Amino acid sequence: GQQVMQIPQYQHVQEGEDFTTYCNSSTTLSNIQWYKQRPGGHPVFLIQLVKSGEVKKQKRLTFQFGEAKKNSSLHITATQTTDVGTYFCAEETSGSRLTFGEGTQLTVNP
Amino acid sequence: GAVVSQHPSRVICKSGTSVKIECRSLDFQATTMFWYRQFPKQSLMLMATSNEGSKATYEQGVEKDKFLINHASLTLSTLTVTSAHPEDSSFYICSANADYNEQFFGPGTRLTVL
Repeated sequence: GQQVMQIPQYQHVQEGEDFTTYCNSSTTLSNIQWYKQRPGGHPVFLIQLVKSGEVKKQKRLTFQFGEAKKNSSLHITATQTTDVGTYFCAEETSGSRLTFGEGTQLTVNP
Repeated sequence: GAVVSQHPSRVICKSGTSVKIECRSLDFQATTMFWYRQFPKQSLMLMATSNEGSKATYEQGVEKDKFLINHASLTLSTLTVTSAHPEDSSFYICSANADYNEQFFGPGTRLTVL
């Protein structure tokens, strides 16, 4: 089945440093969604990208969808301790089913 | 945003018993809900799609007779783990679509089977 590969698996940064996580697929994605899961919590929807080359921003977060719609990235500028958590990309397929990437666990050292 | 609740939040049971987990959409109706399982340090894996008024659709490799899903109303779906064993210990999370594109997840149920 469709697989979305996500890297890195772990990322440790100092507060104030930037952070990026990447998702890649061998096939064209219909869309890509990004979620954040805090430790012990549940996934929270961040954004959905649909169009080729799309770029969306939410404050310090920048989301990109590749021109070929086979990759996506989430970039956080100047991380804060509140950014700690695991970030997942997910592809929405038929019937609104989600296939999640493996996730990137971000830790931020104050 | 829309709210999805789950009950119980934690459950510990003996091997061989059955456990029922409820998922409710509190301020919207959901004709479709989804059940995921997440093992520690791993991603979410979709188990099944719960359809109101009809049979659930299970993902490949998920035993439908072990994980019974009932979606009797537009606000409630239940997942019953039958004859639970230690390998079923996991974090079970449901989700529902309040409107197009965005899924709202419940807080999850942590199941521990002794």
